Amino acid sequence: AQKITQTQPGMFVQEKEAVTLDCTYDTSDQSYGLFWYKQPSSGEMIFLIYQGSYDEQNATEGRYSLNFQKARKSANLVISASQLGDSAMYFCAMRMEYGNKLVFGAGTILRVKS
Amino acid sequence: GAGVSQSPSNKVTEKGKDVELRCDPISGHTALYWYRQSLGQGLEFLIYFQGNSAPDKSGLPSDRFSAERTGGSVSTLTIQRTQQEDSAVYLCASSPAGGPRTDTQYFGPGTRLTVL
Repeated sequence: AQKITQTQPGMFVQEKEAVTLDCTYDTSDQSYGLFWYKQPSSGEMIFLIYQGSYDEQNATEGRYSLNFQKARKSANLVISASQLGDSAMYFCAMRMEYGNKLVFGAGTILRVKS
Repeated sequence: GAGVSQSPSNKVTEKGKDVELRCDPISGHTALYWYRQSLGQGLEFLIYFQGNSAPDKSGLPSDRFSAERTGGSVSTLTIQRTQQEDSAVYLCASSPAGGPRTDTQYFGPGTRLTVL
């Protein structure tokens, strides 16, 4: 069975600094996708970034980048130049090839301090 | 364009009553998903619809839960004889293709269900 582990229940970061949110996963499959979502206090899940298991380069989307280390089964999210609006819950999720559901981690609450 | 919409945004009901939650996916998306987010259980997959295929109901927690998708678009999640443990946020998502690992799911704002 697939499993996602986010070991940081909560994180603080100073505005304008970078922060790394950890995510490790467990699967025996070779083909899978890894996703990060942001959930602000309003409750909506916002898609941030995607990394495929066969992608050789780390994914980047604006201030978001994914530090993908396949051998370690980790897919950490890096947010550069943190902003107050980045304060939210962040979820790491995985989807198998031709699977359907996303399997989510427990999430990390990020608080950006001014 | 318009995102996934869900209604109602909040629903308070009494134990034992039936409730219906609605999801309107992004136009053109063939796949639709329901998840439940509760304090103790995190985000749990409930059910998945893909085109005209039989839905994957493997995540439904009991036979009190059912869902349908009419005309390949709008979906309704029904919970019969609600229990207090059904209190949660019910999230709907849709995706363009539903199959490949690259297929990204886009979520609606959720329905917060409170069972008194």
